[in-house]
Amino acid sequence: AQKITQTQPGMFVQEKEAVTLDCTYDTSDQSYGLFWYKQPSSGEMIFLIYQGSYDEQNATEGRYSLNFQKARKSANLVISASQLGDSAMYFCAMRPIQGAQKLVFGQGTRLTINP
Amino acid sequence: AAGVIQSPRHLIKEKRETATLKCYPIPRHDTVYWYQQGPGQDPQFLISFYEKMQSDKGSIPDRFSAQQFSDYHSELNMSSLELGDSALYFCASSSIVSSTDTQYFGPGTRLTVL
Repeated sequence: AQKITQTQPGMFVQEKEAVTLDCTYDTSDQSYGLFWYKQPSSGEMIFLIYQGSYDEQNATEGRYSLNFQKARKSANLVISASQLGDSAMYFCAMRPIQGAQKLVFGQGTRLTINP
Repeated sequence: AAGVIQSPRHLIKEKRETATLKCYPIPRHDTVYWYQQGPGQDPQFLISFYEKMQSDKGSIPDRFSAQQFSDYHSELNMSSLELGDSALYFCASSSIVSSTDTQYFGPGTRLTVL
């Protein structure tokens, strides 16, 4: 079984600051993928970034980077130079790599960017 | 780029009625997933299809059924609706042959049961 834990229900950050959203996971799978999704108040679920368990380098996508520490089983999302439009709910998720496998989500972190 | 299409976007039903949600995956994606997200909750997996065959089943009530058709679109059928079925229903699609097999979500169908 897999489990994702996001311990920050809410985060408040000033515009232009960097923010780190925490995610820890537990799995018995050897190969797995870690994902971050953004859910604005409008409701859609937007894919942000992916990290494979065997990837040696941390994933980056524009202002998003994933701080992957396999031994600690953590996959924190770092958003640099935050913008007002970054205000949203953020979900960490994981699944085994092989096959058509479902995503297991954490509880989410609500990020609010203050001007 | 083409995205996942879901219809309808909003649906209001009475208790004990039926509802059908439709999903059109991204072209050339071979896998479709359905998730249910209750108010203030994270998405919960319902069911998935790979190449038109059911591949996995989660916490889907017996009142719900789903299928994937020859054109790869999928439908989630919900009968004897209950108040607790009010939620945001997502369809996601992915390509198992891609390097990351990332699931891309549709905009969701917001179902309200009165």
